[in-house]
Amino acid sequence: GQNIDQPTEMTATEGAIVQINCTYQTSGFNGLFWYQQHAGEAPTFLSYNVLDGLEEKGRFSSFLSRSKGYSYLLLKELQMKDSASYLCAVGSSNTGKLIFGQGTTLQVKP
Amino acid sequence: DSGVTQTPKHLITATGQRVTLRCSPRSGDLSVYWYQQSLDQGLQFLIQYYNGEERAKGNILERFSAQQFPDLHSELNLSSLELGDSALYFCASSFGTSGELFFGEGSRLTVL
Repeated sequence: GQNIDQPTEMTATEGAIVQINCTYQTSGFNGLFWYQQHAGEAPTFLSYNVLDGLEEKGRFSSFLSRSKGYSYLLLKELQMKDSASYLCAVGSSNTGKLIFGQGTTLQVKP
Repeated sequence: DSGVTQTPKHLITATGQRVTLRCSPRSGDLSVYWYQQSLDQGLQFLIQYYNGEERAKGNILERFSAQQFPDLHSELNLSSLELGDSALYFCASSFGTSGELFFGEGSRLTVL
């Protein structure tokens, strides 16, 4: 089976940096995905890690350690529009389906 | 715009009824996935189709069924509806069986 854990809520200040952690246990790993979801809207893809290390994309970076079953999403220079839910998801090696964690609701304050 | 189209966007119905949700994947995508998201809950995987055939099944209730047609669009049928079935139902697609999923805007189902 698969188990994915991430904090339920986080709060940060505009302009700051925030790190959202995700730990997972899975059988059949085919990558770690991060999605952003604003309330009532569709999830949108942020990043994908399949090998260990850091992937950087603008203000967003994602890190993966497969041996530790651990990933984090780093958001820099926070903006008010970054207030959203951030979903960690593990890809299945057999099918491609993604299994999602419960999501971390990030509130950015002025 | 992800290129994935879902209809209807909103649906209100009564307990015991049956509804059908429709999904058109991005052009060229062969895989379609269905997810359920209840209030304040994460995305729960329901079922996946690849090129017309069922590929993976999650915790999908027996009252729910789905299929993928030759033109690759998919339908999710929900029957004997209960209050607890009220949720956002998302469809996603991908080209193959790995990589990024592209999500539609969702169908919000309210069961009264």
